[in-house]
Amino acid sequence: RKEVEQDPGPFNVPEGATVAFNCTYSNSASQSFFWYRQDCRKEPKLLMSVYSSGNEDGRFTAQLNRASQYISLLIRDSKLSDSATYLCVVSPSTGGSYIPTFGRGTSLIVHP
Amino acid sequence: GAGVSQSPSNKVTEKGKDVELRCDPISGHTALYWYRQRLGQGLEFLIYFQGNSAPDKSGLPSDRFSAERTGESVSTLTIQRTQQEDSAVYLCASSFLTGANVLTFGAGSRLTVL
Repeated sequence: RKEVEQDPGPFNVPEGATVAFNCTYSNSASQSFFWYRQDCRKEPKLLMSVYSSGNEDGRFTAQLNRASQYISLLIRDSKLSDSATYLCVVSPSTGGSYIPTFGRGTSLIVHP
Repeated sequence: GAGVSQSPSNKVTEKGKDVELRCDPISGHTALYWYRQRLGQGLEFLIYFQGNSAPDKSGLPSDRFSAERTGESVSTLTIQRTQQEDSAVYLCASSFLTGANVLTFGAGSRLTVL
């Protein structure tokens, strides 16, 4: 089983739609979770951290389910500019290796 | 600097040649990472530096790959006797070493081996 797994998509949605991505991870000791966004031929950039209680940033909501070892990202009222690849990132616990593991990403295409 | 700087941004080389890629991290970031991203693929961890500790080289794919970092400054990734399968974007990232461990990436070095 891969350490971090994501559905590669693409998710093809119209403007204004709500879309959700899930990501599963295998290391139950993981402590830090993030969503990064990567535009075509660009470097990944942090979209948001994921907290145990769930967190929201404008149209974006991230949630963590430790029992089932998955995190999710919900995008409401999709914009054309949301088209990108969304990378799930998991970091191990402190005191060990600080090497974040990236999922392969989920591609989102928002069309008019 | 304000961000992570990588050079060259593009490199085309012939099979068998050596290449050197450079990364200048954000000032004050103690951790530095190299990742590789092949076309249409995810990020593949290569090597991790933390301060003056021994680097974690567990991701280096072969002994043709090596990297150095002087203190908490510039890092150089060297690929010897390049092969066509080395063609990829090589991404460098740096971070403060905290539990949050948020990485800031450079724009990458795109390597093409002919």
